[in-house]
Amino acid sequence: AQSVSQHNHHVILSEAASLELGCNYSYGGTVNLFWYVQYPGQHLQLLLKYFSGDPLVKGIKGFEAEFIKSKFSFNLRKPSVQWSDTAEYFCAVPYNTDKLIFGTGTRLQVFP
Amino acid sequence: DTGVSQDPRHKITKRGQNVTFRCDPISEHNRLYWYRQTLGQGPEFLTYFQNEAQLEKSRLLSDRFSAERPKGSFSTLEIQRTEQGDSAMYLCASSASGATDTQYFGPGTRLTVL
Repeated sequence: AQSVSQHNHHVILSEAASLELGCNYSYGGTVNLFWYVQYPGQHLQLLLKYFSGDPLVKGIKGFEAEFIKSKFSFNLRKPSVQWSDTAEYFCAVPYNTDKLIFGTGTRLQVFP
Repeated sequence: DTGVSQDPRHKITKRGQNVTFRCDPISEHNRLYWYRQTLGQGPEFLTYFQNEAQLEKSRLLSDRFSAERPKGSFSTLEIQRTEQGDSAMYLCASSASGATDTQYFGPGTRLTVL
């Protein structure tokens, strides 16, 4: 069965610091990958997604993620975080081409 | 595009009572999903519909849970004889078709069972 691992459960950064959140998946076949974000008090929204092509995917608000097939990874990055990036971040993979399997999430706190 | 809406946003109930939640997907979306999220966890899949057909149910969905999507529009999720372990955020999402399409999530219904 497909599974998703996010090893960083809670990350605390100061503004302007660089961010990298890890995501590893278990399935070795064709892979589609998503990062969702949940800002405090708001619903889940898509940050970026990978389907095929360029393994470096750019999303909203300056986020990017790199798909590395050999490492089964899809890590999320941002060169300089802002206080407004404080949120919970979820990596997700479709299973059986339908439902999404989510990781446990990473809570990011950014201090001014 | 008004987004996915869910009602109610919060529900507090006593153990043993029945509850029903409603989800209104984005109007042109054929697929509708229900997920459950507990504190410190990512959303877990419960069930999904393609138009009015319920195509898959998770093992998490005991026989106390039932979902419908009459006429392929809004959906309801009913929990009978609620238990304290049912306390969670119930999320609805919709997409145009399969998993290659982005799933758009609603704000969720937070259920507290006392």
